[in-house]
Amino acid sequence: EAGVAQSPRYKIIEKRQSVAFWCNPISGHATLYWYQQILGQGPKLLIQFQNNGVVDDSQLPKDRFSAERLKGVDSTLKIQPAKLEDSAVYLCASSPQGETQYFGPGTRLLVL
Amino acid sequence: EDQVTQSPEALRLQEGESSSLNCSYTVSGLRGLFWYRQDPGKGPEFLFTLYSAGEEKEKERLKATLTKKESFLHITAPKPEDSATYLCAVRSGGGADGLTFGKGTHLIIQP
Repeated sequence: EAGVAQSPRYKIIEKRQSVAFWCNPISGHATLYWYQQILGQGPKLLIQFQNNGVVDDSQLPKDRFSAERLKGVDSTLKIQPAKLEDSAVYLCASSPQGETQYFGPGTRLLVL
Repeated sequence: EDQVTQSPEALRLQEGESSSLNCSYTVSGLRGLFWYRQDPGKGPEFLFTLYSAGEEKEKERLKATLTKKESFLHITAPKPEDSATYLCAVRSGGGADGLTFGKGTHLIIQP
């Protein structure tokens, strides 16, 4: 069974630029999550989708971050404009509803 | 607000030297305590889920236990390939399923 796929794996941008990350979850998993992991910290939840609806986005900085999950499968996370403090690894995870979350390899973002 | 504290932050052991990692938590209505392993440059890899005090789970050289306030990850006779960061996370009551993670324990096993 294929795991969670993410792209790109690495991205370097300058502050105030925009960037987008893509995630393809494990086939059949209804729930999709985006986490932010700053160096030396544990992952922090940004947003949870159930199919194509948002369940929890309470920790998403909505002035600059947005996410969508069209057709209840793939998802895109966007940052516009990026700040220096957005430098982190962005992890996508998926799960059957209410069960174990499986993580992708992450996208490493560096904002200069 | 859910909180997870892991200790120690880093641990260096000799191959074969057993030890335990600690995860203390405060949560309103625990709906699962999770252990993940994370290798450098990779996403977290699922190890265990524990749901109630007294529960134990084992996998190879790892055993996870749970009390009402903390969880332990025991590693018996570790090998260099067990070197990684071990993350603890909790899922609390309510409709959302997002996990709250600790900062992790960076484990190094020296041959």
